[in-house]
Formats: sequence, structure tokens, C-alpha cells
Amino acid sequence: DQQVKQNSPSLSVQEGRISILNCDYTNSMFDYFLWYKKYPAEGPTFLISISSIKDKNEDGRFTVFLNKSAKHLSLHIVPSQPGDSAVYFCAASRPAAGNKLTFGGGTRVLVKP
Amino acid sequence: KAGVTQTPRYLIKTRGQQVTLSCSPISGHRSVSWYQQTPGQGLQFLFEYFSETQRNKGNFPGRFSGRQFSNSRSEMNVSTLELGDSALYLCASSQPSAPNEQFFGPGTRLTVL
Repeated sequence: DQQVKQNSPSLSVQEGRISILNCDYTNSMFDYFLWYKKYPAEGPTFLISISSIKDKNEDGRFTVFLNKSAKHLSLHIVPSQPGDSAVYFCAASRPAAGNKLTFGGGTRVLVKP
Repeated sequence: KAGVTQTPRYLIKTRGQQVTLSCSPISGHRSVSWYQQTPGQGLQFLFEYFSETQRNKGNFPGRFSGRQFSNSRSEMNVSTLELGDSALYLCASSQPSAPNEQFFGPGTRLTVL
């Protein structure tokens, strides 16, 4: 039972344009969401997070939007840069239940120069 | 501040053997979590340790175990290795003030022959 899903396995975008990555979840008990970026042969790097009490969080080029009623979140990267080419994972957790993160399957982003 | 370190980075074992992987968290981080990444199952939570106690456990067989020491360093052990245990094993640590923002190490790539 996949509780967190990233339905787009890959995304290709031109440098300077916006990258939009989507993530859906099924467990309404999740109340904290995170995005990680992963390069090959490295561990995931934390990018940005959002609590369920918010619907938007911004950090530089990265913005995460949360739609609780739709159980959907998205990550916007503006402007996209070639160094953003990586696999992006969304993750969800229930802080009251400890630090367990439930990950989506990942979206591979390719930013073309 | 040094990041999360994991040793060894690469390991080759044969079926039936056992293996121990080590993780040193970021200084000051007291929670250590372990994840398994495989192409088929993605990133899956194994267990979490906090103050030398297992606080959370994922859906893995009892062959997978772990422990945490008083200095927050953690080890995980896999006994009676199976081919399907071949994976990237990732360790993540977090600090009490931001428990869900987990910082990952580079991982240990385990190959079971």
C-alpha cells in the first residue's frame, strides 16, 4: 500500500523555466511533509518542508504548496538550473508517531541548458 | 559541522552471511533512523533510535536489527543475508528541535551474491 505517490517518474525542463513536481498521499494522519533531492551515490539532501497548518512555504527558489483537502503537495523550482538535475523525493510523517518518513517513489528531473 | 558518516561505503557479502553497518550522526543529533533503498521498493523505513532505545520500527523481518550507543552512534545488523537484501542502506539523523528534518549520510551499498 503506497501511502505517498509521485506519479511522474521523470520531468524535463529548460533552464530558467519553472519545474513543478507533484506528490499525493492517502494517509490523512500525515501532518508534516518534506522534499529531498538526491544525486547518484549520495544520500538525500533536505530541501524544504511544510507543516499541515500551512499551505505554502518558500525558501529561495523553492516553494512547496500543500492542499490538505486534495491530499496533494507540489514543489516549484524557479528558475530551474542545470545543477537542479537530480531525483526528487517527497516524504510525509506524523511527528507524534516519531521520526519515520514515508517516501514517494521519486521524480527524476533533467534541466536542459 | 561534519555531516552524517556511514561505514563502510561498499560491501559485498554472500547469501547466509551477516553484516554490520555503522552510522555516526551529526554532532548534537540524538535521533538516528535507517532506511533501505532498492529500485523496486524505493526508500523504506527500517527503524529509528533515540537515546539508545528503538522508538519506531518498519515492516522488515527480524533479521534486520539495530542499536544505538550512548554517543548516539548507531549500527544496524542483517543476519542470514538474502539476495533481496542487496540495497543502499541510508542512515539519517535529526536534532531534538527539528525532529522531522532528517539529514542523510551517503549510504552503504550492500551487494549480496
